[in-house]
Amino acid sequence: AQSVTQLGSHVSVSEGALVLLRCNYSSSVPPYLFWYVQYPNQGLQLLLKYTSAATLVKGINGFEAEFKKSETSFHLTKPSAHMSDAAEYFCAVSYSAYSGGGADGLTFGKGTHLIIQP
Amino acid sequence: NAGVTQTPKFRILKIGQSMTLQCTQDMNHNYMYWYRQDPGMGLKLIYYSVGAGITDKGEVPNGYNVSRSTTEDFPLRLELAAPSQTSVYFCASGRQGGTQYFGPGTRLLVL
Repeated sequence: AQSVTQLGSHVSVSEGALVLLRCNYSSSVPPYLFWYVQYPNQGLQLLLKYTSAATLVKGINGFEAEFKKSETSFHLTKPSAHMSDAAEYFCAVSYSAYSGGGADGLTFGKGTHLIIQP
Repeated sequence: NAGVTQTPKFRILKIGQSMTLQCTQDMNHNYMYWYRQDPGMGLKLIYYSVGAGITDKGEVPNGYNVSRSTTEDFPLRLELAAPSQTSVYFCASGRQGGTQYFGPGTRLLVL
């Protein structure tokens, strides 16, 4: 069964500091990988996704993630944190690559709450 | 485009009552999904559909039912509400290829 592990339920960084949110997945086949962001009392918004093209993926709001097959990781980074980045971040995986991806839903990690200190 | 819309936004149910959570999308997506989100647990897939007339169970389908009579609508039915169904429910839609678009959610409290 597929699974996603997000290390750290809460991460706190200072405004202007590097943001690093960790995500590891289990897989025996190439996955599709996603990062979603959830602001308070809202739905999920796609930040970026990896679908077997470039291993370094750039997303919205200055975020990027690197797919490392040898480490089964897909960590999310942003060089300089902004107060508006405070939110819940979810890593997710889909193994429907052979059917085009996404047909049978996503498996989510438990989420990481990002706190930005002024 | 309104995207994915969900109604109601919030509902309180008594144990044993039933209700339907509505979900509509206007992006002509074939794939639609229902997830529930519990604190500290991420989202878990309840049911999904790959097109009108086709539905299948996800990871946590017990206590729920769905139907997909049109491309646009994917209602989720709770027949006998239980406290364990207290959660936030998200509907999503997408095309083949993986990106899913989420609605704003329905908060359900079962007392």
